[in-house]
Amino acid sequence: EPEVTQTPSHQVTQMGQEVILRCVPISNHLYFYWYRQILGQKVEFLVSFYNNEISEKSEIFDDQFSVERPDGSNFTLKIRSTKLEDSAMYFCASLASGTASTDTQYFGPGTRLTVL
Amino acid sequence: RKEVEQDPGPFNVPEGATVAFNCTYSNSASQSFFWYRQDCRKEPKLLMSVYSSGNEDGRFTAQLNRASQYISLLIRDSKLSDSATYLCVVNVPPFGNEKLTFGTGTRLTIIP
Repeated sequence: EPEVTQTPSHQVTQMGQEVILRCVPISNHLYFYWYRQILGQKVEFLVSFYNNEISEKSEIFDDQFSVERPDGSNFTLKIRSTKLEDSAMYFCASLASGTASTDTQYFGPGTRLTVL
Repeated sequence: RKEVEQDPGPFNVPEGATVAFNCTYSNSASQSFFWYRQDCRKEPKLLMSVYSSGNEDGRFTAQLNRASQYISLLIRDSKLSDSATYLCVVNVPPFGNEKLTFGTGTRLTIIP
């Protein structure tokens, strides 16, 4: 069964450093997402991406965050200058087409980001 | 009012029992509804979509009440493997670009 993959599984970084989280969505999917989950809290939407541009972003997704689909298969989330409060699990998700009401997003296993 | 509200639990239920979870959502324009399960430190995994007419998948039954903006999940004959956090998830329009809004989840532990 096709699946979303993410690397690395765990990233430890120093505050102020840049990190890039990588995702390979399911190959025929058209919509891509990043979510995050701070330990003990709910899953929160960060950004959606379609047709090589951001289609929606949340308040969390400020100027420190950016996304890119550099080569048609990878989908990356960059945090330019990490803060302690960026420590969380980051999930990538992809969606086939969104044209059916039952179409849904498939999540990758996540990257645990720890900012020291 | 929270966008998606769930009782966080925990629900500690003996094996074989029936357990029900409820969820309410605030955005009346929402069109798609799901139950996901999340195991500890893992990704959310789709359990089932929730249809207007209600739907069943084995031991799991989901119901939707649009008038009350209420979703439910019933698990019959619970198994130890059902222990997880159950996430009520609602899409946020516009349809076709489905940003998912998650509840905080209801934690279920099945006791042998």
